[in-house]
Formats: sequence, C-alpha cells, structure tokens
Amino acid sequence: EVQLLESGGGLVQPGGSLRLSCAASGFTFGDYAMSWVRQAPGKGLEWVSTITGSDGSSYYADSVKGRFTISRDNSKSTLFLQMIRLTVDDTALYYCAKDPRRTAAGTFDYWGQGTLVTVSS
Amino acid sequence: EIVLKQSPATLSLSPGERATLSCRASQSVSSYLAWYQQKPGQAPRLLIYAATNRATGVPARFSGSGFGTDFTLTISSLEPEDFAVYYCQQRSSWPPFTFGGGTKVEIK
Repeated sequence: EVQLLESGGGLVQPGGSLRLSCAASGFTFGDYAMSWVRQAPGKGLEWVSTITGSDGSSYYADSVKGRFTISRDNSKSTLFLQMIRLTVDDTALYYCAKDPRRTAAGTFDYWGQGTLVTVSS
Repeated sequence: EIVLKQSPATLSLSPGERATLSCRASQSVSSYLAWYQQKPGQAPRLLIYAATNRATGVPARFSGSGFGTDFTLTISSLEPEDFAVYYCQQRSSWPPFTFGGGTKVEIK
C-alpha cells in the first residue's frame, strides 16, 4: 500500500525558513517523480514543485522559484522541500504527491495527508 | 500559463441525481486533464486521468469526457459519499501544472 507521510510544518515568522519532509513507503520511491502541492486555508489547490525520478530534474511554480528547493533521498525514500524567505502567502497545507511515472507525468495518483505551514508574526 | 475555469462553483443536488461538472481551459490541453475529489479534512483523490480514464478503485458512476478546451465530469447517480469538492487539473503545458478553482457538490 502506498503511503506518504509529511512532516516538518509549523509556525514560522515572515522571512523565516522551514524544511518539509515526506516519507514514502509501499513503492519503489526512486522510480517515480514526486511533487509538492499546497492548499491555502479555504482555498483551492496550487502546484508548488516537482522532481523527476529519472535524473532529479526539478521544476517550480513562479510564486516559489528562488525561495523553495525540492530534493529527494532515494536511499531513504524521502522527499524534501526547503523553504526560505517565507511570506504570509505561503501559509497553506502542503501535500506530498506521487506521480505515476519516473519522468513527470503531471498526474498525482497518491497524496499524503499534508503538513500545515503557518507564516505569521 | 493555462487557466482552468470550473463551473458551476456550487452544485446542489439530491442523492440519486446526476451531477455534471464542467472544466474549461484557456487553451487546448488535448486530453491531458485529470479530475480529483476532495472531502473535508482529507487529501485529494485522483478520479480520472487523461480526460476519460478512471483511476484504480474509482466506481463506474464517475466518468470523464472532453478534449481540447472543454471537459466534463459526470456522476451518474450521486451516492452520499460523493458530496465533496472536485478539481480539474491540466498537465499539457507545464510548468506550471494548473488546477481549476473547484466545484462543490452539496446536498440539496
């Protein structure tokens, strides 16, 4: 059974940093692209970033480019999102999502339960 | 960036009724469109991929149709567990992958 378990969220001041993790199990982690998708309170879904399983290429939404870094440790089946220079607009529930292909297919077939990031002074 | 517009924003129906949800893209996405269901307090769940294909375990009452810019998600007969928010998402031209604003299917 595919499981994705996010952690690392919390309350941080504007301008601060946070590192999210997503522990994966139930599939061969390195064989699939992985993504982060966020959802601000009461709002819709917003794609944040994707990293391929093939060569580790990464892609970002314009809203986070230059501030967020996605990475993965295939030996530990773990996905990361390093976030710096956080703003109140980054407040959201951050979901880890699995792609059905090694190269990014852009379909999210499994999702974690999310970790909440709150940016506030 | 491809913009997806979903309509209506809210659909009020009774169990057993047919639900028809629309998603319109600002430019052609071919068949690279997916639908997700999200219930309160839960993560999204993939329902339909490549416009018409049901994901694993999705009941046959859910069906997707469309190509290019106009897509439809149909729930043939609403079950109590189907009342939720539904999102469409394109992967035709990326980055970014984009989502529609969602349609809430509520109990009438």
